[in-house]
Order: sequence, then structure tokens, then C-alpha cells
Amino acid sequence: AQRVTQPEKLLSVFKGAPVELKCNYSYSGSPELFWYVQYSRQRLQLLLRHISRESIKGFTADLNKGETSFHLKKPFAQEEDSAMYYCAPQGGAQKLVFGQGTRLTINP
Amino acid sequence: DSGVTQTPKHLITATGQRVTLRCSPRSGDLSVYWYQQSLDQGLQFLIQYYNGEERAKGNILERFSAQQFPDLHSELNLSSLELGDSALYFCASSRGTSGSSYEQYFGPGTRLTVT
Repeated sequence: AQRVTQPEKLLSVFKGAPVELKCNYSYSGSPELFWYVQYSRQRLQLLLRHISRESIKGFTADLNKGETSFHLKKPFAQEEDSAMYYCAPQGGAQKLVFGQGTRLTINP
Repeated sequence: DSGVTQTPKHLITATGQRVTLRCSPRSGDLSVYWYQQSLDQGLQFLIQYYNGEERAKGNILERFSAQQFPDLHSELNLSSLELGDSALYFCASSRGTSGSSYEQYFGPGTRLTVT
């Protein structure tokens, strides 16, 4: 079965501190992996995808196939990073399988 | 703005009723996806259409159906509504179904409340 686990429902860090949002997946085949973000009162939007190996807004995510993890990291959190973050593998028929999400709060 | 529009923004209806949610994809996008977001189930994939044809089904109830029209807009029909159907329903669109067209652009959602 396809499953995505984001173990932290809530994560709170201070501004300037490093942040790591965990994501573990169980998925057959070789899915493409994404992180989506939802800022307050805004729609879901793509943050980054593993295949592009980009750094968006200072965030990076490393795919570890051995551990089937795709953790999202940022070395220095900013207040504007406060949002809901979803890890999502995309497999057959392009459907996204979302984790439960992690609500990140950056304290000033 | 991603360009995906959904109407209505909010919908309040009673149990047993039927509603239709509408989605207009971004210009040029051929694929439309429907997702349901509820407090207990999180974000779940319901169904996908590509250029008018159903391509994939997820956790969609038999009481729910969808279609994509020739102008590529899509409608999600929910019937015999139950309290548990109360949720935020998102539509997303993408260029196609393969290659570099993976990225899905989401609409603002329709919040359905069943009383």
C-alpha cells in the first residue's frame, strides 16, 4: 500500500534556528517526490521536487532511497516559513499521495 | 495566482442532498485532479481526468462522480450527502500525464459543510 508518514503534526522552532520536517514513504516503484506548502489563507503550491534538486526559499530535501525518506530542511528558519507542509510522492497516473502534513510555526 | 478556479467557495447543504462542485483548470492544462481534505483523513486523491477521459480513481465513494467536459472544465458531483462528507475539496490541474508535466497547480478549494 502507498503510505506517507509525516511524524510531526506540529513543529515549532525559533527564527534563525535550523528546521527539519520529516517524511517517510512506503511506495511501490520509483515515485517522484514533492513537498507542497500551504501558507495561511492561500492555496497549496509546490515547494520543491526531488528530481530538480533545487533549493527553494532556502529549503532543500534529500531523497534517501535506503531509508525511504525525503526530509525537508532549512538551515535558518524565517517567520514567513510558518505554514502547513505536505510531503507527497507521485506515482502512477500522476496522483499525489499526501502525508498528514506538518504545521510549522516559526517563533520570533 | 495558479489560474485554477473553483466555484463555489463555500457550500452549506443538508444531509441527503446533492451538490456539484466546479473546477476550471489553468489555460492549456489537460489533466484535472480532485482531492478531498478532511480533518481525520487528511488530503486524499479522489479522481483524475485527462482530456475528457477518466485516468485514475482513488478513494472516491460510489455516491460521488465526476466528469471533464470538452472545454476541459470539470465537475465533481456529490450525492446522498452525509455529515462525514463535510470537507475541503480541491481541484488541481497539470499539462499532461507524463514527462515534465508532473507539477500540479491547485485551486483555492470549495468548503462543503453538510448539516
